[in-house]
Amino acid sequence: GESVGLHLPTLSVQEGDNSIINCAYSNSASDYFIWYKQESGKGPQFIIDIRSNMDKRQGQRVTVLLNKTVKHLSLQIAATQPGDSAVYFCAEAFPPGSARQLTFGSGTQLTVLP
Amino acid sequence: DAGVTQSPTHLIKTRGQQVTLRCSPISGHKSVSWYQQVLGQGPQFIFQYYEKEERGRGNFPDRFSARQFPNYSSELNVNALLLGDSALYLCASRRTESANTGELFFGEGSRLTVL
Repeated sequence: GESVGLHLPTLSVQEGDNSIINCAYSNSASDYFIWYKQESGKGPQFIIDIRSNMDKRQGQRVTVLLNKTVKHLSLQIAATQPGDSAVYFCAEAFPPGSARQLTFGSGTQLTVLP
Repeated sequence: DAGVTQSPTHLIKTRGQQVTLRCSPISGHKSVSWYQQVLGQGPQFIFQYYEKEERGRGNFPDRFSARQFPNYSSELNVNALLLGDSALYLCASRRTESANTGELFFGEGSRLTVL
C-alpha cells in the first residue's frame, strides 16, 4: 500500500517575533548536540552546537539551551526573519566523545508570517 | 571553495535495480558520511568513512555498501532496490574522523525514486 510520511510538528511566528523550537533527545550519555536548518531542496546546514558541560550557548541571533535533567534541547531564534523559514532538526552525536555519527530528531517546520 | 558535491541530483530506478551515488567532500576533509532522509523525517546515519576505512555503520541491510577513494571522494551503492529505498541520500564531510566541533558539512543530496 501507499506509505505516508510523518507530519512534522509546525511552528508559525510573525516576522520580528522570537521563535523557540524544542527537542527531546534519547540517550542520557550523549555529550554533544547540534542544531541544523534544512531549507526545501537543500541539505542540512549547521546552526549551532553545544556540549553537555554547558547549559547555554549563544550565536548570532540564536541561542541553544540544554537541560540534561529532562533530556531537552531548545533553539531560540531572535527577531525571526522570512529567511528563517525552514525545517529545524536537533541531532545528538554518537558515540559519546567521538561524534562519529549523528542521530537526528524528527524536525520542526518553522514558517515565518509577514 | 566548493562545498560537498553529490551526483546525480535526481534519479529514477525500478525495483531490483542497483544504484551508485557519488560524493566529493570539501577540499581537505578526510571523513565522509552518508545519511538517508525519507520524506518528512530526519536524516538517518548509514556509513562513515575516514582515510578509506569504514568507521561506522548504521542499521541498514547489507544491500547498502560504500567505499572511499584515495582522493577522499566516496560512493554509496544500493543493490536490489526496494520501494522503501526512495529517499534523499545525503553526503557529509568533516576534516577529521571525529572532531571536537563535530561540525558536519552536508551536500544537497541525491534524490532517489524507486518505482
